[in-house]
Amino acid sequence: DIVMTQGALPNPVPSGESASITCQSSKSLLHSNGKTYLNWYLQRPGQSPQLLIYWMSTRASGVSDRFSGSGSGTDFTLKISSVEAEDVGVYYCQQFLEYPRTFGGGTKLELK
Amino acid sequence: QVQLKESGPGLVQPSETLSLTCTVSGFSLTSNSVHWVRQPPGKGLEWMGIIRSGGSTDYNSALKSRLSISRDTSKSQVFLKMNSLQTEDTAIYYCTRSSDYWGQGVMVTVSS
Repeated sequence: DIVMTQGALPNPVPSGESASITCQSSKSLLHSNGKTYLNWYLQRPGQSPQLLIYWMSTRASGVSDRFSGSGSGTDFTLKISSVEAEDVGVYYCQQFLEYPRTFGGGTKLELK
Repeated sequence: QVQLKESGPGLVQPSETLSLTCTVSGFSLTSNSVHWVRQPPGKGLEWMGIIRSGGSTDYNSALKSRLSISRDTSKSQVFLKMNSLQTEDTAIYYCTRSSDYWGQGVMVTVSS
């Protein structure tokens, strides 16, 4: 199985500052078709996960442009510019290159 | 609009079988995949399995011997059955359409 490893944030993050969340995969998620099979989700307290980013860098419908995804085949970053109160929660990366579709352990964002 | 809703018993006895239903609307099961994902209290997300538009399935290898996913396309329902439940199976169980739409989740507690 592909192992997904997420980094921690130096919480709490001051409101208005930027935050970067890292994720690493044990295998390259870059397919021969040129697409990188990585999703990012936000799970707000008490809610279901919400898809933020797919194909490593494509924002899902309705997601603020303050969220951006980047990376290589195995190292990925979700950047949140100008953090707001509604961004608080746990962020997860997930690979969808292979089954089982594995998640990272999650990164908690707290606001100062 | 696209909606998914999980239903099932809130409490299951150890060693018994869990049966959950995901009722969908706003899309066809013959054109979309549905996944099951679970989340133990205070912990991260675990991908459980998928039923594809064509009806084929894939399972998390850790659960494969206990897990079965099926569907009734005429009723727009997807079913999860997992046997030999233990306390470690206590979790919120979510169904999701290919990661972009998620149900609200159903809490299942395994306890005598």
